[in-house]
Amino acid sequence: GQQVMQIPQYQHVQEGEDFTTYCNSSTTLSNIQWYKQRPGGHPVFLIQLVKSGEVKKQKRLTFQFGEAKKNSSLHITATQTTDVGTYFCAGPWTYKYIFGTGTRLKVLA
Amino acid sequence: NAGVTQTPKFRVLKTGQSMTLLCAQDMNHEYMYWYRQDPGMGLRLIHYSVGEGTTAKGEVPDGYNVSRLKKQNFLLGLESAAPSQTSVYFCASGLAGADTQYFGPGTRLTVL
Repeated sequence: GQQVMQIPQYQHVQEGEDFTTYCNSSTTLSNIQWYKQRPGGHPVFLIQLVKSGEVKKQKRLTFQFGEAKKNSSLHITATQTTDVGTYFCAGPWTYKYIFGTGTRLKVLA
Repeated sequence: NAGVTQTPKFRVLKTGQSMTLLCAQDMNHEYMYWYRQDPGMGLRLIHYSVGEGTTAKGEVPDGYNVSRLKKQNFLLGLESAAPSQTSVYFCASGLAGADTQYFGPGTRLTVL
């Protein structure tokens, strides 16, 4: 079956440093979604990428979909304490989504 | 709009007890999902539904049953709770299979 792997599992950064998480799928994806879960909260949709090589930006967040549509990345520039949480990627698979294991980000002030 | 709501928010069960978790959405979504999230782990799909009256198994369906009698509600049942089912349970809904998923606030379940 389809697998979605994320690295790293954890990342601690100083406030102001950059952060990147990577998502890799065992199969080609029609699209990929990214979610953020704050500590104690529920996952919240951030963005969906559909096209090969697509790059989308949301303020300090940059999302990229690989040319082969099997990998994706989320880059945060100049992290802030509000960026703390776990970031999940998710790939569609027959009416449902397979979520990656997530990257937990801690930002040290 | 309330979005996706879940009841109860917290529950403690003894091994062997049964319970039902209720998920309700007011967005007229066709698709609904039940996930479990264990400490430090991602979201694992238990069961899902692509429309009223339909259900299907996800990655970890054993020990759970579901029903979708009304479009807006998706129920998750535990017939005989086990400590391994201690987890946070999230319900989600979406317009279609490849659409944004909207998550409820979660139910924190402890089985002693």
